Amino acid sequence: KAGVTQTPRYLIKTRGQQVTLSCSPISGHRSVSWYQQTPGQGLQFLFEYFSETQRNKGNFPGRFSGRQFSNSRSEMNVSTLELGDSALYLCASSPVDSYEQYFGPGTRLTVT
Amino acid sequence: KQEVTQIPAALSVPEGENLVLNCSFTDSAIYNLQWFRQDPGKGLTSLLLIQSSQREQTSGRLNASLDKSSGRSTLYIAASQPGDSATYLCAVASGSARQLTFGSGTQLTVLP
Repeated sequence: KAGVTQTPRYLIKTRGQQVTLSCSPISGHRSVSWYQQTPGQGLQFLFEYFSETQRNKGNFPGRFSGRQFSNSRSEMNVSTLELGDSALYLCASSPVDSYEQYFGPGTRLTVT
Repeated sequence: KQEVTQIPAALSVPEGENLVLNCSFTDSAIYNLQWFRQDPGKGLTSLLLIQSSQREQTSGRLNASLDKSSGRSTLYIAASQPGDSATYLCAVASGSARQLTFGSGTQLTVLP
């Protein structure tokens, strides 16, 4: 089975812009979670989607949003980018019958 | 609020040594605990998942234990190899089964 894929892998944006990141889960997985990784804060949970519904949300401002499509692919959007949003954004998928999470390679976002 | 601590932050050992990585968490009401490894600039690779009802899990040279009552988990790596060099992350699911709180990791270097 193909693993979790994330696009794009690298992105450079300017403060104030918005960005959309994409995640394709492992085939058959219906849960997709997003995490932000920074040197200062480490890995932090953003949100989880299951069957197109957001089930959980971490402690991030409303500028961070996401959605999931009927084929389980997910996107996350960050509006009005700030320098502090520079990070590695990781997506993880999980099957229905297990809580094990499988991570993608991440999208490296740099905000200048 | 769940907090996860990993000690030590960095560890350097000669090849062939057995070693133990430690993880502690503050809230014992957990769904599961996962150990991951992360190679530089890469995503996370799942190593072991321990359900809250389990005491340990084994995979090859890896053995992870869980003591919920004391809020501790250990990852035992037998006969370490240079290819084991990576950052090892402990993550606890407590708010929900797929919402992980991560420790800051142990950076392991195995010297040939």
